[in-house]
Amino acid sequence: DAGVIQSPRHEVTEMGQEVTLRCKPISGHDYLFWYRQTMMRGLELLIYFNNNVPIDDSGMPEDRFSAKMPNASFSTLKIQPSEPRDSAVYFCASSFWTGYGPLSGANVLTFGAGSRLTVL
Amino acid sequence: AQKVTQAQTEISVVEKEDVTLDCVYETRDTTYYLFWYKQPPSGELVFLIRRNSFDEQNEISGRYSWNFQKSTSSFNFTITASQVVDSAVYFCALSDKAGKSTFGDGTTLTVKP
Repeated sequence: DAGVIQSPRHEVTEMGQEVTLRCKPISGHDYLFWYRQTMMRGLELLIYFNNNVPIDDSGMPEDRFSAKMPNASFSTLKIQPSEPRDSAVYFCASSFWTGYGPLSGANVLTFGAGSRLTVL
Repeated sequence: AQKVTQAQTEISVVEKEDVTLDCVYETRDTTYYLFWYKQPPSGELVFLIRRNSFDEQNEISGRYSWNFQKSTSSFNFTITASQVVDSAVYFCALSDKAGKSTFGDGTTLTVKP
């Protein structure tokens, strides 16, 4: 498997423009997470999906941010309109749930390489 | 609410020294999962180790070992005989049953030759 694939790797845009970040999770993984990393706030969970359904979007900063997962192999994170404070590295991660018990392999996140967004 | 604290912001050691990274967590869940991830200068995040809340057995995996103590809510990570390639930012993370992970602020480890 090629791992979690994110695009674009780098995006430079001007304030007010729409930005769309894309993610292809690992095949067979039923969880998908979007994280944002900044120097000031560290790694923040924005939203996560289970079986393509958004479960928790409490980390989404504001209405300018939206995320979708139309199928098991694709997700988007959209910012409209973008602002300079949105500049960050956005990571997508996927995982699978193997149940409980001593032998459970719980939610190891496999991260994509990240999308570095710069809003001027 | 879940919280992860990595009190050490930066650590610098000389190659071949052992180094321990500290992690303290807070959660009200009885079932939870603890992780260490590594972020080298290239920027990707890589999984290192995992521990379930119901298994406090400490283990060694190569040069990595960890000390999980529920009584003190700590999950410390040790690199034995450090190498220059170990230089990276190390994140401790706490996950609930649903898979929602909270990360610490990270500890920047610099290993000097």
